[in-house]
This record gives sequence, C-alpha cells and structure tokens, in this order.
Amino acid sequence: GAVVSQHPSWVICKSGTSVKIECRSLDFQATTMFWYRQFPKQSLMLMATSNEGSKATYEQGVEKDKFLINHASLTLSTLTVTSAHPEDSSFYICSAIYGGDEKLFFGSGTQLSVL
Amino acid sequence: RKEVEQDPGPFNVPEGATVAFNCTYSNSASQSFFWYRQDCRKEPKLLMSVYSSGNEDGRFTAQLNRASQYISLLIRDSKLSDSATYLCAANRGWGKFQFGAGTQVVVTP
Repeated sequence: GAVVSQHPSWVICKSGTSVKIECRSLDFQATTMFWYRQFPKQSLMLMATSNEGSKATYEQGVEKDKFLINHASLTLSTLTVTSAHPEDSSFYICSAIYGGDEKLFFGSGTQLSVL
Repeated sequence: RKEVEQDPGPFNVPEGATVAFNCTYSNSASQSFFWYRQDCRKEPKLLMSVYSSGNEDGRFTAQLNRASQYISLLIRDSKLSDSATYLCAANRGWGKFQFGAGTQVVVTP
C-alpha cells in the first residue's frame, strides 16, 4: 500500500497557540488529501478536502479560519489549528487516495492536547 | 440517523473461534466499501475491500449486500492479535469516505 507520513505524532500546547501538522505522501503524488478528526470512541469525521494548488473544501460545521489547510505541493498538505482551545483536543489524521480503486491510506495521526 | 452504523461491541471471542459482525449504511449511492482495523490511539489500517461477490483474505471474509445495505466481516480462527476496533467505511465518491464508529473485538486466551 501507499505510505503517508504525518508529523508530529503528538502535541501538547497552551490554549491560544497555533499548531501545524504536516502530512506527506512518500511514494506517490497526492493531488488530494483529506483531514479527519476523531474523538475517543467516536468515528472518524471528515473535516476538509485538501486540493493541491487550490483552496481546501471544508465540511459543514468546520471553521475554515480556525483550521487552515495548505496543499502547496503534490506530496505535502498542512493543517494549522489556529488559536487552539481545549475543545480542539483530538486525534487528527490525514489521508490520501491511492490506486484506481480509490483505497484510502492514512498518516499515523497527531494527538493534540490543548491545556 | 448516522450514515454508517456499527455495533460498538465489545465482541468477546475465545481464541480460535469465529466472530462476525455487520455494518449498515444509509447512502445507497455509496460506491465502494472497505474494512479498516484501528488499534488504540493509532491510525486506521486498511484490512480489505468489500465486494458484492464476497472477498476473502486468509482468515478474513467480507461481504457486501447492496439490497439490504450492509457489509459484513467474518474472522475465522481468531488470534489474540486480532483484538482491535474494526471500522467500516463507505466511499461516497470523490474520495470522501464515511466511517462507522467501529466494532471492538477482544480475543481472549
């Protein structure tokens, strides 16, 4: 399968700070990447679709000014959580589609804890 | 109603036994389906695709029933290492996946 790398694996930050998470496709080019969020014992929730060279598409209820997405190259997408608050604490996972049958492969995830 | 629903479990399974569980989906336009395995605080890992004709990979068998809008996963000869949460996923198209909340499986010695 395809390899998607995500960094950092975990972040602890103070309330009000911004946190950047990187997602890279290591062995393929990903024109589209997806950002998910998962709260404990809940399903993965799609936050936004990151498109290389254009603006991200956000799902309903996701604040685009709070979750800034940049997809500047075919192998890198970044998610910045701006002015993070404790309620933003969650597991954030990026993913990319690979293959003709559109299988979804995930990065290792980032556990964000906002104090 | 959630678009993809799963029994959260846990399914407690003796080692060597067979366990099966389903996942229902509401969007009949969903194009493809998958099972993922997720260990605690880790990313989901693709287990297998699901086809109407059935799909078998070793001890794992997946089935899609479009008429009743559910997919199933069967695990034979369960191993301790099979303990995990199993997520079903429906691809709505354009790469947008809808996930269930997962079914927890606990294999006991």
